[in-house]
Amino acid sequence: NAGVTQTPKFQVLKTGQSMTLQCAQDMNHNSMYWYRQDPGMGLRLIYYSASEGTTDKGEVPNGYNVSRLNKREFSLRLESAAPSQTSVYFCASSEAGFSPREQYFGPGTRLTVT
Amino acid sequence: KQEVTQIPAALSVPEGENLVLNCSFTDSAIYNLQWFRQDPGKGLTSLLLIQSSQREQTSGRLNASLDKSSGRSTLYIAASQPGDSATYLCAVKGGGADGLTFGKGTHLIIQP
Repeated sequence: NAGVTQTPKFQVLKTGQSMTLQCAQDMNHNSMYWYRQDPGMGLRLIYYSASEGTTDKGEVPNGYNVSRLNKREFSLRLESAAPSQTSVYFCASSEAGFSPREQYFGPGTRLTVT
Repeated sequence: KQEVTQIPAALSVPEGENLVLNCSFTDSAIYNLQWFRQDPGKGLTSLLLIQSSQREQTSGRLNASLDKSSGRSTLYIAASQPGDSATYLCAVKGGGADGLTFGKGTHLIIQP
């Protein structure tokens, strides 16, 4: 049981390049989330998926797109990377329900855009 | 908009002391509150989850309390150890399907 896995662990991009961050969970959770963590800002929600087939914007969605490929996988795409997107990206998952459950986090992807 | 504040931002104490980390939130309409630990360069490890109907949760040397009406939570660490050194994050879950709102964390150093 690996929990939440993310690939890659590290990435350096040039401004304007594109890339996709991958996330997968093996806990059969319905809900999945993407956050970014910046110094002095804390973690902020980029996008979330309450269930397979649905996605919604969080607090900071500009410059990103997401795909909920199936129940296990939730990817985050940067179409044209900008230096402001240099950050650590975390994927998380949780069981849904009337009273939402604990969120479990992946190890993160450290992205630098030059 | 929900805002979460953690005080202090940093704390350094000698090994063996009991300590309290504070978390406050502006909107009391929460479903739950979660405390995390984050080691440098690592991901988040969930420590404790308190549902909105609960007053406290305990796990080993950790005890978290929740006073929803006043918008406060505390994380109590008993008999601190150098291995407890990390950043501790507080996060609240509101209504709806969206994610957690995080505080900026308390950076804790336990001196041997």
